Amino acid sequence: GENVEQHPSTLSVQEGDSAVIKCTYSDSASNYFPWYKQELGKGPQLIIDIRSNVGEKKDQRIAVTLNKTAKHFSLHITETQPEDSAVYFCAARTGGTSYGKLTFGQGTILTVHP
Amino acid sequence: EAGVTQFPSHSVIEKGQTVTLRCDPISGHDNLYWYRRVMGKEIKFLLHFVKESKQDESGMPNNRFLAERTGGTYSTLKVQPAELEDSGVYFCASSLGPHEKLFFGSGTQLSVL
Repeated sequence: GENVEQHPSTLSVQEGDSAVIKCTYSDSASNYFPWYKQELGKGPQLIIDIRSNVGEKKDQRIAVTLNKTAKHFSLHITETQPEDSAVYFCAARTGGTSYGKLTFGQGTILTVHP
Repeated sequence: EAGVTQFPSHSVIEKGQTVTLRCDPISGHDNLYWYRRVMGKEIKFLLHFVKESKQDESGMPNNRFLAERTGGTYSTLKVQPAELEDSGVYFCASSLGPHEKLFFGSGTQLSVL
């Protein structure tokens, strides 16, 4: 089955700096890659996603890049703010009989210092 | 529009007891999923309903876990009897279609003592 590795496990930056979180996946059939942000006491919230036919997607300060050949994708947050502090999860979805299933990375605790 | 609702938000039970978690998906979402995060590890898939049918239950850990979705609306996840290793946060998610975005609830924090 699919396996997703996420790095780093913790990331500490100063407000205004950029933050990058990287994920690799194992199943070349995976075709959908969402990123979720989880704040304390809340459930994961979808912040951006990308499909396998696209190499990059941007939404204001957040961008995701996908390299299908290398089987890795990354989340880029620019001009970080203290409210960006949260746990971030990457995930991958493969078709086939488990077409609805997301496989998640281990999560990255991002701390943005004022 | 209401999001995915889970109840209870927290549950503390003793080993051997039974607990039932409930999830109300976003109205109109035929696809409902259960996930679990244990001990700060990754969020792991448990199962996927399409309406009232189990599409994929490959992530269910063992037969102590029973999920139902009668009528294709809300879903329950029962753990009977609960073991210490069942502690964690149980998330429910729903989507309009199987290839659409998943929206998660706030989760149920289950503590088995």
